[in-house]
Amino acid sequence: EAGVAQSPRYKIIEKRQSVAFWCNPISGHATLYWYQQILGQGPKLLIQFQNNGVVDDSQLPKDRFSAERLKGVDSTLKIQPAKLEDSAVYLCASSLVGDSNSPLHFGNGTRLTVT
Amino acid sequence: DAKTTQPPSMDCAEGRAANLPCNHSTISGNEYVYWYRQIHSQGPQYIIHGLKNNETNEMASLIITEDRKSSTLILPHATLRDTAVYYCIGYAGNMLTFGGGTRLMVKP
Repeated sequence: EAGVAQSPRYKIIEKRQSVAFWCNPISGHATLYWYQQILGQGPKLLIQFQNNGVVDDSQLPKDRFSAERLKGVDSTLKIQPAKLEDSAVYLCASSLVGDSNSPLHFGNGTRLTVT
Repeated sequence: DAKTTQPPSMDCAEGRAANLPCNHSTISGNEYVYWYRQIHSQGPQYIIHGLKNNETNEMASLIITEDRKSSTLILPHATLRDTAVYYCIGYAGNMLTFGGGTRLMVKP
């Protein structure tokens, strides 16, 4: 079974620029998550989708971050404009149904450096 | 989700069993105990999860106490590739929240 695919693997941008990350979840997984992991910390949930609908975006800084999951499969996360403190690894995860007995499976993330 | 407490670091000799403890005294009845690990520069890797009964898979065993207030992840024969940060998480299906984890160092 293919895992969660993310691209790009690395991205370096200047502050105030925009950036987008792409995620392709495991085939058949209805639930998709975006996490942010700052160096030295555990991952923190940004947004959760169930199919193409948002379940939880309470932790997403909506003034600069946006995410979509058109057609309930692939997803993109965008930052516009980026700030220095957005430097982090952005992880995408998916799970089969999104309940407590359904493990999340993570991709290897996109490492963003904002200069 | 339940707050979990793990030792910040542990060492284990290669080939020996690694026993990683986790305290989750506030876990609620519908929360599963999940274990993930994260190797440098990779995303978190799912290891195992359980509700009440002990569980075993090809990677590890999970022992949950009868009162569900603590659990132990067992890697039966640790290898150098098992060096990672191990996270214990109480999860009810709403938000998978990562704490500080245990940094396991497997030494030759």
